[in-house]
Amino acid sequence: GAVVSQHPSRVICKSGTSVKIECRSLDFQATTMFWYRQFPKKSLMLMATSNEGSKATYEQGVEKDKFLINHASLTLSTLTVTSAHPEDSSFYICSASFLGVGGSGQFFGPGTRLTVL
Amino acid sequence: QKEVEQNSGPLSVPEGAIASLNCTYSDRGSQSFFWYRQYSGKSPELIMSIYSNGDKEDGRFTAQLNKASQYVSLLIRDSQPSDSATYLCAVKGLGTSYDKVIFGPGTSLSVIP
Repeated sequence: GAVVSQHPSRVICKSGTSVKIECRSLDFQATTMFWYRQFPKKSLMLMATSNEGSKATYEQGVEKDKFLINHASLTLSTLTVTSAHPEDSSFYICSASFLGVGGSGQFFGPGTRLTVL
Repeated sequence: QKEVEQNSGPLSVPEGAIASLNCTYSDRGSQSFFWYRQYSGKSPELIMSIYSNGDKEDGRFTAQLNKASQYVSLLIRDSQPSDSATYLCAVKGLGTSYDKVIFGPGTSLSVIP
């Protein structure tokens, strides 16, 4: 199956700092990448959808100035959490998809656990 | 509002039994359907996809789709303790841009040894 990597897998930072998370599709070119966050024992919450070379589409309630998404190539997307606060502590997961007959599923990265002190 | 619904569970089955997970969706134009498995603290893993009415089998897993009833299910035969996880149903419809899928809230499955 398609492989998606994320880096870092875990990060602890001080309040007020910015954190960048990378998402890479390793063996395919992703037409679209998605960013989710998930709180403990809760479902996935889609934050934004991005296509290479265009601005991300953010879901309602997600601050685009706080969660900066850059989709520089068909294999790389980054999420920067700016001026992080303890309430931003969560599990951030990216996924990637490519167009295929019938529509492809999404392939998830392993996730990044962010803890803001 | 396009929705995907699942029973949150937990669903408990004894080892070796069949686990049946159900999902309903509201968008009648939906075309692609997926089941993901998510272990605690891990990201979701795609285990099945189905696009046509009927059954699709892959090992111990069988996905069933009924578009007329807007219903998709996942059967796990010979359930093992290692199958204990949260199972997410996901649906992609016509007219959704950028391959966006809608996820259900997930059903927690516990297989009792």
